[in-house]
Amino acid sequence: NAGVTQTPKFQVLKTGQSMTLQCAQDMNHNSMYWYRQDPGMGLRLIYYSASEGTTDKGEVPNGYNVSRLNKREFSLRLESAAPSQTSVYFCASSAARIFEQFFGPGTRLTVL
Amino acid sequence: GQQVMQIPQYQHVQEGEDFTTYCNSSTTLSNIQWYKQRPGGHPVFLIQLVKSGEVKKQKRLTFQFGEAKKNSSLHITATQTTDVGTYFCAGANMKTSYDKVIFGPGTSLSVIP
Repeated sequence: NAGVTQTPKFQVLKTGQSMTLQCAQDMNHNSMYWYRQDPGMGLRLIYYSASEGTTDKGEVPNGYNVSRLNKREFSLRLESAAPSQTSVYFCASSAARIFEQFFGPGTRLTVL
Repeated sequence: GQQVMQIPQYQHVQEGEDFTTYCNSSTTLSNIQWYKQRPGGHPVFLIQLVKSGEVKKQKRLTFQFGEAKKNSSLHITATQTTDVGTYFCAGANMKTSYDKVIFGPGTSLSVIP
């Protein structure tokens, strides 16, 4: 079992460029989440998906889009990256919405 | 909206000393979870508390959920260098926001050998 995997691990973008962060889980979980982590601010929810085919906004969705491709995969897209999106991005999954979450290793994104 | 606060933000202790971090929610919680994140790592689930006044122990770690289900604490007895990291609480309120778990900002623990 790989658990939750994320690609890439590191990425540097220029302002205005686009990219997609990939996330996959092999635990047959229904719920998946995208968080960003900034110093002193903990984990802030960007988007989540309670089940395949559904997505909902979290606390900080502006500037991001998501796709729940299937039960395993949940991707996060930055259409036009901005320096304010420099952060560490974590994907997580859980069996249900308010249960234990399993996190991926994270993607460290820098936008210049 | 629901807010979750944690104090202190940082704590430095000598190895062997005790450590406590406190978590407070602006609303009543249905449950609370605690996670630990080692430097450079990702958050790892420690425990979930559901019942009012619940106390759970994991070796040197003691977790409490307040009677009003609005606060929680994590206490570590006789800290070790392996306890270094950031401890997050995360709460959910099923009545007002069933889908969302809100994380606190975390308490960063440093242990001086």
